[in-house]
Amino acid sequence: QKEVEQNSGPLSVPEGAIASLNCTYSDRVSQSFFWYRQYSGKSPELIMSIYSNGDKEDGRFTAQLNKASQYVSLLIRDSQPSDSATYLCAVNGADRGSTLGRLYFGRGTQLTVWP
Amino acid sequence: GAGVSQTPSNKVTEKGKYVELRCDPISGHTALYWYRQSLGQGPEFLIYFQGTGAADDSGLPNDRFFAVRPEGSVSTLKIQRTERGDSAVYLCASSPGPSYEQYFGPGTRLTVT
Repeated sequence: QKEVEQNSGPLSVPEGAIASLNCTYSDRVSQSFFWYRQYSGKSPELIMSIYSNGDKEDGRFTAQLNKASQYVSLLIRDSQPSDSATYLCAVNGADRGSTLGRLYFGRGTQLTVWP
Repeated sequence: GAGVSQTPSNKVTEKGKYVELRCDPISGHTALYWYRQSLGQGPEFLIYFQGTGAADDSGLPNDRFFAVRPEGSVSTLKIQRTERGDSAVYLCASSPGPSYEQYFGPGTRLTVT
């Protein structure tokens, strides 16, 4: 059974600051990692995926993966009030091409960006 | 293009009744997943289809839950003899294949009274 742990927060940052969201996972064979954003009353929206150690940047978002430490993070630069949401970390244990497709989710970190 | 769609958006039913929840995946996506989410929790896996077959149904909580995907596209999640504990948001996701990015539909909020 894979465990995915996130700080539940809430995390509160001022507009324009960097928000840092962290996630650890228990299974060393995990290969695929995802960050979803979920607004209140809405379904999860995929914002980042990362498969290799290191950093991956997409606009104001940077995902960081360290498989040796079993740690994945999401940085949000120049945070905006519209970034206020719950951020879910998800882990897939399968290599590409495997049949094991399920995702294991953390409980999410609630982020508030105040003006 | 069109995303994942789910119907109904809300369903209120009485304890003991039967319900069906429908999911229409993104066109061309061969993998389809069902999750459910309770308040304050992350989504919890129920079942995964690759094509028409259930590749992993280990998340179904008991035999009251069943899902089908007869033509490899639309899927239906069926819950018999509903219980109040079944109340949750049921989410469907699809992806081009296993291990690829999964895209979620808007969900069905099920309330069992």
